[in-house]
Order: sequence, then structure tokens, then C-alpha cells
Amino acid sequence: NAGVTQTPKFQVLKTGQSMTLQCAQDMNHNSMYWYRQDPGMGLRLIYYSASEGTTDKGEVPNGYNVSRLNKREFSLRLESAAPSQTSVYFCASTLGGARTSGYTGELFFGEGSRLTVL
Amino acid sequence: DAKTTQPPSMDCAEGRAANLPCNHSTISGNEYVYWYRQIHSQGPQYIIHGLKNNETNEMASLIITEDRKSSTLILPHATLRDTAVYYCIVRYSGGYQKVTFGTGTKLQVIP
Repeated sequence: NAGVTQTPKFQVLKTGQSMTLQCAQDMNHNSMYWYRQDPGMGLRLIYYSASEGTTDKGEVPNGYNVSRLNKREFSLRLESAAPSQTSVYFCASTLGGARTSGYTGELFFGEGSRLTVL
Repeated sequence: DAKTTQPPSMDCAEGRAANLPCNHSTISGNEYVYWYRQIHSQGPQYIIHGLKNNETNEMASLIITEDRKSSTLILPHATLRDTAVYYCIVRYSGGYQKVTFGTGTKLQVIP
């Protein structure tokens, strides 16, 4: 049981290049999230997908696009990378839906993808 | 999601109890208080959550005031491995919703 898997773990881009961060979860979760974390800062929500087929903007969506490919996968795309997008990106998931016995509602996080834009 | 306020940093002596406060004065009746911690640059890890009663698990205790406007996470015997950033968030436990984090509290456990 891998949980939440992010690829790649490290990436260096030049300004203007594009790339996609991949995230997959094997816990049959409905809701998935993308966060960024700048050095010494907290987590900021970029986009989220409350359920398969839906995506919504978070706190800092500019410069990003997302795709909820299926229930398992939620990708984050940088169309034209900028140095301000240098950050650590975290994907997370949670079951969502109706609260059932024993369900904590916790978010499960991936290990992060460290992106540097030169 | 209701907004939370936490002190940016705290120190705690190793072996002593660490008490991390969180204010959430705009919490609504159905929102839970959740605590996560982030060690180094790893992904945050769930610690505990509660609605209005005090909660305890193998990692920590959560004390929520009667008016639910604030809470305290207690690590009963802090160790060096508890040095981390601790995030307090409020949200509904179910449903489909966005989840936002603040800046958290950097806890430094001192030998």
C-alpha cells in the first residue's frame, strides 16, 4: 500500500519551460489537493479536486493548471515556469464524502516534489 | 474553513510537556479541530482531531475549550524527535471541501 505517490521528487527547470507534476493515490480517496511550500513558510493550497470530475482553485492558483485524470490521479501543470514557482509541492488526499464510523477525515500527504526554476 | 491563529515559534525542554495553543474564534458548530505536524521537509502527518470533547491518542492530547474558540495540543513528554512545525486547522470531517493550512508553530525541543 503506497499511499500518495508523487513524481518526480526533484526537478530543475529553466524559466519558460513547462512540466507536469504527477500524483497518484491507492486509497480510493475522493478528494485530492495540491499545495506549495516556500522555504520557511506554511502550506498554501493551489488547487483541489473535491471529487472525481471536479477541480477548484485554492489560495494561489495563478500559473498552474490541474487535471483530475481519474479517481486515482491528480496532476499539476506549470505551463511557463517562473523563478517564483521554485518551491516544494505536496499532493494530499482524503476520503471525503459522508462521515462514517471510524473515519478521521485526515489528509494523507506525499513526500513532496522539489522544484527549482532558474 | 475557519481561520486559525498560532504562535510562530515555541521552545520546550526535552522530557517536559509541550503545550501548543491555537485560536479558532470563528469555528462553526460542525467543524472539527485537526492537528498535523511536519518534520523537516517531509509531508505533514496527522496527529489528532476533535469536535468538542478532549481527545487523547498515542501521540498527543487535544484540549478544546468549552466555547470551542481555542484549543491546545499537548505532547506529554517532548523528545528531540518532536521538533517540527505543528499546524492547527479547522474543517468538516466529511463532505467535499478545500482544506487550507496556516503558517503553524515551529516547536524546538531543547536537550
